[in-house]
Formats: sequence, C-alpha cells, structure tokens
Amino acid sequence: GEDVEQSLFLSVREGDSSVINCTYTDSSSTYLYWYKQEPGAGLQLLTYIFSNMDMKQDQRLTVLLNKKDKHLSLRIADTQTGDSAIYFCAESISTSGYSTLTFGKGTMLLVSP
Amino acid sequence: GAVVSQHPSRVICKSGTSVKIECRSLDFQATTMFWYRQFPKQSLMLMATSNEGSKATYEQGVEKDKFLINHASLTLSTLTVTSAHPEDSSFYICSAREHRGSFEAFFGQGTRLTVV
Repeated sequence: GEDVEQSLFLSVREGDSSVINCTYTDSSSTYLYWYKQEPGAGLQLLTYIFSNMDMKQDQRLTVLLNKKDKHLSLRIADTQTGDSAIYFCAESISTSGYSTLTFGKGTMLLVSP
Repeated sequence: GAVVSQHPSRVICKSGTSVKIECRSLDFQATTMFWYRQFPKQSLMLMATSNEGSKATYEQGVEKDKFLINHASLTLSTLTVTSAHPEDSSFYICSAREHRGSFEAFFGQGTRLTVV
C-alpha cells in the first residue's frame, strides 16, 4: 500500500538544528524526496535520495534513510527564520512505465528568532 | 532547475462556470504532467496523470468529466474545471517530468481557485 506519514508540526529556535521525520510503507520506492512549500506557493524540491543510499548531505541539509524501518529524515543545520515552511516527504513509485509521487501530509516548521 | 509556469495564480469564478488552468514547461519538454489538488492543511492529492498525446489517467474518485485534462503538446497541459461549484474551491498544482522514468518532477506555483 502507499502511505506516507509525517509529524504535523515542529517548532525550533533560530540557529538550532531541525529534524523532520517521515515513514513510508512501499518498499519498492525508488526515490524519496523532500519538498518545501512556502505559503500560497508551489513545491520546491529540496533534496532527494535514491533508495540504495543511507545518507545524503547537501550544504545545511542531511537526509538519512533507514530502508529496513522505512524511515526517512531531513535535518536542517543552523535553521533560519527563512526556513519556516511546510516540508513534504514523498516517495516515488513506478507504475506502468512512469513514476508517481505519494506525499505525506507535510510538517509545518516554525522557526522563532 | 527546470521551470514550470502555472497560470493563473489566482482565479475567482461564479458557480456554474468553467475555469481553465494552464501548466507550461518553459525550458524542457514534459512527456508527463501531473495535476494535484491540495486542501488546507492537507497533503497533495494526485488527480490525474497525463502523457503527451494520450488521454489522461485519472485517480479513483476524480470525475473525468468534471476535471478535463488536455496535454496536447510537450510543453503545455491544461486542467479545465467544468461547471464549478464552491466545493471545487482549492489549490491546484501541476508538475512535469521531462521523460518517462525521470526521477525529478518540477512543480508549478499553483492556482488558488475560489468558486463563489
């Protein structure tokens, strides 16, 4: 089945690290993604990880993947107020020759000064 | 990254009228485009997938006669909400992939539809 779960809300202070967690159920996922959505806007791809990787680092972002537990996390180092947004985890599942994305409900990150 | 332009960003229409939303890939050819609907504080729900030159594949529960999707060219897909009702008010987002099997989808900025 396809089900992506995320915690709904996270509040941190500026300068701290943020960790947003996600669990998924489909073990055939090929790619897992993190998207950022600012108010009233579309989605911006932040980073992605291929399913045979354990970790990916990209500047302030670190993605950890535990495939056995189907757990994905996004760590944002030195969180800034501009990082306040909704973060969506998504898994990519291939069907009929193309892949579709299944999204979690999103985690609202609030960064206070 | 690649750019997907969605137009209009906001639209208000009267109940019973139809509204067309355009999704364009500006610097790449999109063989596959996706239409999502997002309710407040909820995730994106995939409505349909369209491949250029063929009929769209609708997700279960999405009325194909109500949400008409056309993907006539490699750079343009349109979603027409026909005979709109207030319950159709929502945030609609399109995304596009350059080719089948591509891992990356690029998203438009979304359209806020309000039906009064």
